[in-house]
Amino acid sequence: ETGVTQSPTHLIKTRGQQVTLRCSSQSGHNTVSWYQQALGQGPQFIFQYYREEENGRGNFPPRFSGLQFPNYSSELNVNALELDDSALYLCASSGTLGGLDTQYFGPGTRLTVL
Amino acid sequence: GESVGLHLPTLSVQEGDNSIINCAYSNSASDYFIWYKQESGKGPQFIIDIRSNMDKRQGQRVTVLLNKTVKHLSLQIAATQPGDSAVYFCAESWGGSQGNLIFGKGTKLSVKP
Repeated sequence: ETGVTQSPTHLIKTRGQQVTLRCSSQSGHNTVSWYQQALGQGPQFIFQYYREEENGRGNFPPRFSGLQFPNYSSELNVNALELDDSALYLCASSGTLGGLDTQYFGPGTRLTVL
Repeated sequence: GESVGLHLPTLSVQEGDNSIINCAYSNSASDYFIWYKQESGKGPQFIIDIRSNMDKRQGQRVTVLLNKTVKHLSLQIAATQPGDSAVYFCAESWGGSQGNLIFGKGTKLSVKP
């Protein structure tokens, strides 16, 4: 186990709704990255947070937003859900930015948009 | 755009044999590479990583080889076991181990008992 936890495990929403996904990073890690994994595909980088600031963003629209809290846990918010947002959402935590730690993934949240 | 691809989408091996999973990458600026194993319904699990200043790195039953000349990465699993059955992803980053990981589509490894 990586020590990275995510909640909820599964979620079903309808088109147009908003969703918040949560991630608790591994103890001692201050960097959290979020990825979207569509069925049968590799994960795609959404954005990264380091010490409560966004530190890089992938090719995702602004309706994907995030937060990182002082305890380094993080939230991913998605507004105006679309059918294509159905995917496994993964967070990965890692140590000090610029350090040598790798990224350790949580179990993911399976989001289904109907 | 830049991407990481895999030569074989599926690989079937006999228990006890060695497995080799290949991966091509296209960004010559990538400085960090990593292999993950993903079992059904779970998040990716770290296997082994390698930085661009190395050609080979060994772990427990696994070896990663990096050929920067042809932009090729491979994962070798010795004495493959049924528990090794999963989808394997390679990923690259040009921001070190903390950077944005670019994943390929994955190779499904099936181990026959």
